[in-house]
Amino acid sequence: EVQLVESGGGLVQPGRSLRLSCTASGFIFGDYTMSWVRQAPGKGLEWVGFIRNKASGGTREYAASVKGRFTISRDDSKSIAYLQMNSLKTEDTAVYYCTVGGASWGQGTLVTVSS
Amino acid sequence: SYELTQPPSVSISPGQTARITCSGDALPKQYAYWYQQKPGQAPLLVIYKDSERPSGIPERFSGSSSGTTVTLTISGVQAEDEADYYCQSADSSGTYWVFGGGTKLTVL
Repeated sequence: EVQLVESGGGLVQPGRSLRLSCTASGFIFGDYTMSWVRQAPGKGLEWVGFIRNKASGGTREYAASVKGRFTISRDDSKSIAYLQMNSLKTEDTAVYYCTVGGASWGQGTLVTVSS
Repeated sequence: SYELTQPPSVSISPGQTARITCSGDALPKQYAYWYQQKPGQAPLLVIYKDSERPSGIPERFSGSSSGTTVTLTISGVQAEDEADYYCQSADSSGTYWVFGGGTKLTVL
């Protein structure tokens, strides 16, 4: 059974950094592109970005709203995907989900950016 | 930036057929995916590649595509189908994901 577990969320001040983790099990992690999607309170889903698997070059793509501030990485030996969030803004407040191609999702982790 | 357009809400009585549309210029070239999200839960994939249904999803959920519009159809709506539904696709280059704004399905 595919399982994705996000962690690392919490309360952070504007301008600070936070790193989220997505720990995967139940599938061959290294074979898949890993994506991050967020949802602000009471709002819709917003794609954040993804990292392709190594066979596809391991390249990354980001939404315009986070490009230059967020970085996605992966450790295939540990089956973990990361979302490094720098220069956080209040509008980054959201539940952050990791997903494998939209077919499986974690439960999400809440990030609150506030002073 | 590329956008997918959904109606904000659809109301339907139990047993009727609900249709939720999603429009976007790149939809003739890019597959669409549909997600169901209930309060406090992660999204659940109900349709992929326009019209394919994942295992475990009831047969009453179906998808179709015509030109720049894709449609999620729920036949014989049940009370448990009340949820937010999101379409998702990619831009014309196939690089970036895009989500529609979501449609709140209310079962009267």
